[in-house]
Amino acid sequence: QVHLVESGGGVVQPGRSLRLSCAASGFIFSVYGMYWVRQAPGKGLEWVAVISYDGSEKFYADSVKGRFTISKDNSKNTVYLQMNSLRAEDTAVYYCARGGVGYCTNAVCPYFDFWGQGTLVTASS
Amino acid sequence: EIVLTQSPATLSLSPGERATLSCRASQSVSSYLAWYQQRPGQAPRLLIYDASNRATGIPARFSGSGSGTDFTLTISSLEPEDFAVYYCQHRTNWPPMYTFGQGTKLQIK
Repeated sequence: QVHLVESGGGVVQPGRSLRLSCAASGFIFSVYGMYWVRQAPGKGLEWVAVISYDGSEKFYADSVKGRFTISKDNSKNTVYLQMNSLRAEDTAVYYCARGGVGYCTNAVCPYFDFWGQGTLVTASS
Repeated sequence: EIVLTQSPATLSLSPGERATLSCRASQSVSSYLAWYQQRPGQAPRLLIYDASNRATGIPARFSGSGSGTDFTLTISSLEPEDFAVYYCQHRTNWPPMYTFGQGTKLQIK
């Protein structure tokens, strides 16, 4: 059974940094691409970042490019999101998700087939 | 950038009724479109991918159709647990960029 558990959220001042983690279980983590998707309070979904199965390819939304870094440790079955220079508009629930269906390239898939329950990040002074 | 526009913003129906939700793309996305359900306080759940394929474990009352720019999610007979927010989603080919529609809230009438 696929299980994704996010951690690391909290309240942080604008301009500071935070690192999110997502622990995966129930599947062969090393062959899947992983994603971060966020949702501001009361708003819709926004894709943040994706990493290929081996970590060799990473892509970001324009809104976080240059500030956020996604990484993947296949020995720990964990994907991370390093968030620097946080802004008030980064306040959101951050979900990690797995990509496992559709036509995939380097396990970078078009859709998100399993999601964690999310962790709340609040950037506020 | 492809923009996905969902309609209506809110849909009020009763259990047992048929629900029809729309997603329109600003340019053709072929059949590369997914639908997600998000219940209050929960993470999204994949319902449909590649426009018409049901994800694992999704009941047969959920169906998707369409191609090009116009897509539809149909729920044939609403169950109480189906009242939620629904999002459509697309990924551009390469480099991958993922976009979501703004969502349709399906509420009990």
